Formats: sequence, structure tokens, C-alpha cells
Amino acid sequence: DVKVTQSSRYLVKRTGEKVFLECVQDMDHENMFWYRQDPGLGLRLIYFSYDVKMKEKGDIPEGYSVSREKKERFSLILESASTNQTSMYLCASTRLVMSNQPQHFGDGTRLSIL
Amino acid sequence: DQQVKQNSPSLSVQEGRISILNCDYTNSMFDYFLWYKKYPAEGPTFLISISSIKDKNEDGRFTVFLNKSAKHLSLHIVPSQPGDSAVYFCAATTQGGSEKLVFGKGTKLTVNP
Repeated sequence: DVKVTQSSRYLVKRTGEKVFLECVQDMDHENMFWYRQDPGLGLRLIYFSYDVKMKEKGDIPEGYSVSREKKERFSLILESASTNQTSMYLCASTRLVMSNQPQHFGDGTRLSIL
Repeated sequence: DQQVKQNSPSLSVQEGRISILNCDYTNSMFDYFLWYKKYPAEGPTFLISISSIKDKNEDGRFTVFLNKSAKHLSLHIVPSQPGDSAVYFCAATTQGGSEKLVFGKGTKLTVNP
């Protein structure tokens, strides 16, 4: 069974802080993704990565950066947190080669910025 | 521009009856479609998928139908159970691409006992 683990289920931070959200997968997947989920907006892609040290912007990358130093770990960074970044953050992974493989999600991190 | 649309934010059905969740897409390049189910405070769980070379895929109580000419897909759950109560997301992608998924906004299904 694929396991995608997000380091925190709940996190409270203050405006202006630098925030790190960590995600680890145990299936040697090439692709990893960060989404945020907001009521009425569905899941929106922030960044994704095909391989170590590779990254590509998704639909809403502003205010975020990512890091992928090891294949199993993908970090989302809020450079200077703002209240509009209060959201549920979801990490996912999948294989690169087989295009019809579903993405597997972690349980999410509910982040509140005060 | 919303490429994947789920026009019903919520749906309520009686236990044992059929649930039909609908999804429309606008991008004709999409050729692989997925349904995810999400409970509160959990990540989405993959439910069922369909490739554009098919018009139907079945897995137990869950069936997905694809109408390419109408750019429409639907998820049928028969019979519906209270444990099916969740938010259902439709997603689409292009095969051989980056595996980026485009999600709809979700439909909250409530199955009443």
C-alpha cells in the first residue's frame, strides 16, 4: 500500500513567519504534488516535481516555493505567511512512466495563519 | 476558466437508492478521468477511473460513464450506503503528459439512513 505522510495534521503560525510543510512517500514515486483545498474551490495545484531538484509551477504558485532534495521528500515553503494562506494543504505522489496511475494523497495539513 | 465542472455542490439520497454525480469538462485534450472521495480531515482517496477509449468502467457498486461527444462523465453508486457520505471530486488529465490533474470543485454526497 502506498503511504504518503505529511508531517503535521494541524499547524498554527503567525503572519510573516516562514513555514515548512513536509511530505514523504514510501513508494519510490517520481512525481510529487502540493495542492491546497478551500471550500467551494476544490483542489488547486501549487507546485509539482518530476524528479529530485526538479520543480514546476502549478496554477497558484505565488507566495510559495518548494524543495525536493531527495526522491521521497517534497517540501512546501511559505516564505512569509499571510492570512490568505490559511487552508488545507494536500501532498500527493504518483509514478511517472505509467500515465494512468492515480495520485495517492496524504491526510493533509490544516494550516492556520493568525 | 474552469476546465472541469461539478455543477451540483451537494446531493442527498436515501440509503439503498442510486446516487448519480455529474462532471463536465471543456478541454478536449483530456483523455483520462478519475473520481476521488474525501472524508473530512482526510486526504482524497482514489475511487475509480476511466480512459477515453472506454465509455464505461465498473468496480463493485461504483460505475463511471463517459460521454466524449458531450464532454460529460458521471459516477453511479448503487446501492448507496451511509458510509458513502463524503465529498466527491472529479479530475481529468492527459495521458503521457505530466500527470497533472485538473479537479472539479467537488460534490458533497449525503446518504440518509
